[in-house]
Amino acid sequence: NAGVMQNPRHLVRRRGQEARLRCSPMKGHSHVYWYRQLPEEGLKFMVYLQKENIIDESGMPKERFSAEFPKEGPSILRIQQVVRGDSAAYFCASSGDSNQPQHFGDGTRLSIL
Amino acid sequence: QKEVEQNSGPLSVPEGAIASLNCTYSDRGSQSFFWYRQYSGKSPELIMFIYSNGDKEDGRFTAQLNKASQYVSLLIRDSQPSDSATYLCAMNSGGYQKVTFGIGTKLQVIP
Repeated sequence: NAGVMQNPRHLVRRRGQEARLRCSPMKGHSHVYWYRQLPEEGLKFMVYLQKENIIDESGMPKERFSAEFPKEGPSILRIQQVVRGDSAAYFCASSGDSNQPQHFGDGTRLSIL
Repeated sequence: QKEVEQNSGPLSVPEGAIASLNCTYSDRGSQSFFWYRQYSGKSPELIMFIYSNGDKEDGRFTAQLNKASQYVSLLIRDSQPSDSATYLCAMNSGGYQKVTFGIGTKLQVIP
């Protein structure tokens, strides 16, 4: 499968725990984007990364959220000390460059108990 | 003013009709335009992209771009119940600009 791979598909955490969401871009893609979507709402941009660099994190909350895209391995979206309001679908997308269409993974549904 | 405006719908059309989905945008520097389809509970799926003024056709889908009027539309001919989904309009301004998504229009094709 050469598509964008996200895991886990579903993640359940208790309040105060940490959530780690992983994304492997499509083969040949070096641009990764993370989005959050609440039920019946639109996609909200969070962060745009290239290998080892954060290009735009203007959509990411300043506290508790961080993202990385290391030289080797998947991109990671990390949410520390999760709260109920973090429950959402988190989508990762990748593209070959910033002008090309983004292709989405299946998403991670995060539920906070 | 929102950067990308879409009517959230729902837009209901009978099976076999043409569905017309519209999107307006505020950034005149926008260069690349995309339409995604998202079924309930699923991820967005790219269905069309357009970079130049005019029409671009792919099967039953036609994307139309008018940069002077700052709108982009998607026409779906011979609509099928399987086309029932939310259609997201998206665009970017080139360079390192992030892609901005509209809220999406929910389309319902009535058998």
